[in-house]
Amino acid sequence: QKEVEQDPGPLSVPEGAIVSLNCTYSNSAFQYFMWYRQYSRKGPELLMYTYSSGNKEDGRFTAQVDKSSKYISLFIRDSQPSDSATYLCAFRRSGNTGKLIFGQGTTLQVKP
Amino acid sequence: EPEVTQTPSHQVTQMGQEVILRCVPISNHLYFYWYRQILGQKVEFLVSFYNNEISEKSEIFDDQFSVERPDGSNFTLKIRSTKLEDSAMYFCASRPTEDTQYFGPGTRLTVL
Repeated sequence: QKEVEQDPGPLSVPEGAIVSLNCTYSNSAFQYFMWYRQYSRKGPELLMYTYSSGNKEDGRFTAQVDKSSKYISLFIRDSQPSDSATYLCAFRRSGNTGKLIFGQGTTLQVKP
Repeated sequence: EPEVTQTPSHQVTQMGQEVILRCVPISNHLYFYWYRQILGQKVEFLVSFYNNEISEKSEIFDDQFSVERPDGSNFTLKIRSTKLEDSAMYFCASRPTEDTQYFGPGTRLTVL
């Protein structure tokens, strides 16, 4: 079983749609959960960071963590063409050097 | 807003040559990282650096690679005797204490 699984897509939605992006993981030691956005040939940009189960909201973005199911999600409301990018989930164990383990990334296209 | 910077943005080299990739982390950050992303693949951890020494390295980070923080601001990745398979985007990242990592824009390395 892979440590992190993320559907690479691509995912294509119309402008204004609600987008749901998901990752599953197998390592129970993961304690920190992140979503990064990456535009083509650019560095990952931090979107959301959480360390507990439940929901965290920031503007149009909501991150959801279910530790019991080892499942995290990112919801984007009122999606815009500028949201078109690759979305990476990332995980980190507590008390270690801070190494991040990334998912494959999901490519999202929001059509006007 | 402070950000991680990297130079050069694109480096082309001949197989067997040495390259040095440079990064300026965010000034009050304590932990420094290098990651690699081969085209179309996931972002992979290479090495973490704290208190002027390597704190963790991946299997990829063999004797061909080295890191250095030569002064209070720069953080470098040296690749000796480059191989074709070293062609990738190389990202530097930094973080303060328990917060997450902030990535630079990357250096695209092309080995011919």
